[in-house]
Order: sequence, then structure tokens, then C-alpha cells
Amino acid sequence: DQQVKQNSPSLSVQEGRISILNCDYTNSMFDYFLWYKKYPAEGPTFLISISSIKDKNEDGRFTVFLNKSAKHLSLHIVPSQPGDSAVYFCAAPSNAGNMLTFGGGTRLMVKP
Amino acid sequence: DSGVTQTPKHLITATGQRVTLRCSPRSGDLSVYWYQQSLDQGLQFLIHYYNGEERAKGNILERFSAQQFPDLHSELNLSSLELGDSALYFCASSASGASSYNEQFFGPGTRLTVL
Repeated sequence: DQQVKQNSPSLSVQEGRISILNCDYTNSMFDYFLWYKKYPAEGPTFLISISSIKDKNEDGRFTVFLNKSAKHLSLHIVPSQPGDSAVYFCAAPSNAGNMLTFGGGTRLMVKP
Repeated sequence: DSGVTQTPKHLITATGQRVTLRCSPRSGDLSVYWYQQSLDQGLQFLIHYYNGEERAKGNILERFSAQQFPDLHSELNLSSLELGDSALYFCASSASGASSYNEQFFGPGTRLTVL
């Protein structure tokens, strides 16, 4: 049972345009969500997070939106840059805070 | 650089063998987590240690075991290896193992190939 799902395995966008990466979850007990970015041959690195008491969190070019009723979150990158090309994972920590449940990842390719 | 180190970077071995993966957490971090990333399963939590004690177990096979030593480094032992154990194994560390979320910092991973 996949509690966190990313239904798009890949996404290709033009440099300067908006990238929108989506994530759905089934566990209504999740109250905090994170996005990680992963380059080849490196470990995932934290990008941005959102608490369930908010519906939006912004950090520079990155904005995460949370729709609790739909159990859906999305990551917007504006404007997209070639250096953003990576695999993006959404994740949620367990209530005990000691394990992350990850989605399957979306590979983003930003074309110059 | 996350500050988390993992050795070796690559490991190639045969079915039935046993290997040990090593992780050194960031300076001062007491928690170590192990995750497995296989092609068809994504990133899956295996086990969490806090200050030498096991705190939580995920989908970790009985053939796998881990420990955290007094100097806080951790080892993941994989035995009776099967082809399906081929994966990337990531270690992450965080400052504490408290009930609220503490950011986890990931190492670069060990790529295990079982032939």
C-alpha cells in the first residue's frame, strides 16, 4: 500500500517556464510534508517543507501547495532552470517522526 | 556535502554472500536511519537507531541487521544475498530521535550489485 504517490515518473519543461510536480497521499495522519531533490550519484537533499496547518509555503523559486481535503500537494518551480534537472521526491514523516515515507519520485528535465 | 559519509560507494558481490555497509553521521547527530532504493520500490525505510538503540523498524528483511556503535557510526549487515537485494542503500542522520520531525541529512549512498 503506497501511502505517498507521485503518478508522473517524468516531466520535461523549457527553461524559464513553470515546473509543477504533484504528489498524493492516503494517510490522513500525515501532518508534515517535505520535498527532496536528488542528483545522480548523490543522496537526496532537502528542498522545502510544509506543515498541515498551512496551505502554501514559499522559498525563492520554490513553492509548495497543500490541499488537505484532496490529500494532494504540489511543488512549483518558477522559473525553471537547467540546474533544476533532477529527481524530486515528496515525503512524509511518521507520527513518531522517525521514518520518512517517500513517493516514487518524478524525474524533471529542464531544457535550455 | 551533507556531512554524512558512507562506505563503500560501490559493492559487487555474489548471491549467498554477506556484506557490511558503513555510515558515519553528521557531527553531533545521534540518529541514524537506513533506507533502500531499488528500481521498482522507490526509497523505503529500513531501520532507525538513536544513540545506540534501535528505535523503529520498517520493511527490513530478517537477513538484514544493523547496529549503531558508541562512536555513533552505524553498520548495515546484509547476509545470504539475493539478486533482488541489488539496490542503493542510503544512510541519513538527524540531530535527535524525538517524536517531532527532525530534518534528515542523507549520505551519498552505497550501490550494491548482487550477481
